[in-house]
Amino acid sequence: EDQVTQSPEALRLQEGESSSLNCSYTVSGLRGLFWYRQDPGKGPEFLFTLYSAGEEKEKERLKATLTKKESFLHITAPKPEDSATYLCAVQASQTGANNLFFGTGTRLTVIP
Amino acid sequence: EPEVTQTPSHQVTQMGQEVILRCVPISNHLYFYWYRQILGQKVEFLVSFYNNEISEKSEIFDDQFSVERPDGSNFTLKIRSTKLEDSAMYFCASRYKMNTEAFFGQGTRLTVV
Repeated sequence: EDQVTQSPEALRLQEGESSSLNCSYTVSGLRGLFWYRQDPGKGPEFLFTLYSAGEEKEKERLKATLTKKESFLHITAPKPEDSATYLCAVQASQTGANNLFFGTGTRLTVIP
Repeated sequence: EPEVTQTPSHQVTQMGQEVILRCVPISNHLYFYWYRQILGQKVEFLVSFYNNEISEKSEIFDDQFSVERPDGSNFTLKIRSTKLEDSAMYFCASRYKMNTEAFFGQGTRLTVV
């Protein structure tokens, strides 16, 4: 059973069309939830860390939120350069005390 | 801005050969990791390294794999006898302390033929 599930798998947006990506997790003992951006053929690029339910972080057009079961990455008025795969990862006592457990990602395409 | 660097960016090797993937983590970081990503699949944890020893490893990290921090700056992953299924992107990552963000290198694409 997947412990981190991201949806949708792929998302196409028009430039300026806001939307949200979802990351739901079933791990216990959450120690941190991390959002990364990954461009094709590149390593994950860190975006946000969230530690507790109710926490929010913002950076430019991106805003990440966390509840006890899921996290959302809200993209406001996206631009074509926001096209990438967005990865969610958790660190939890259930998945290993010292490593990140990744979801399969949401592939975002923003059309000009 | 400090970054994790990996070399080579691409390596092609014959099945059964040994490969060493190299990484220079961010200088004041204490925790070091190797992850891999098979094409089209999720990023998977291989091994974590702290205080000059392995702190955790996954089922993927079998006897064919080893890691080493030979000096104060490098961190290496060795695959002793490569298999076709070892073909993947291998990412090195480092973090300053537990439960904080990990920073990833740009990866080494390993192709086993």
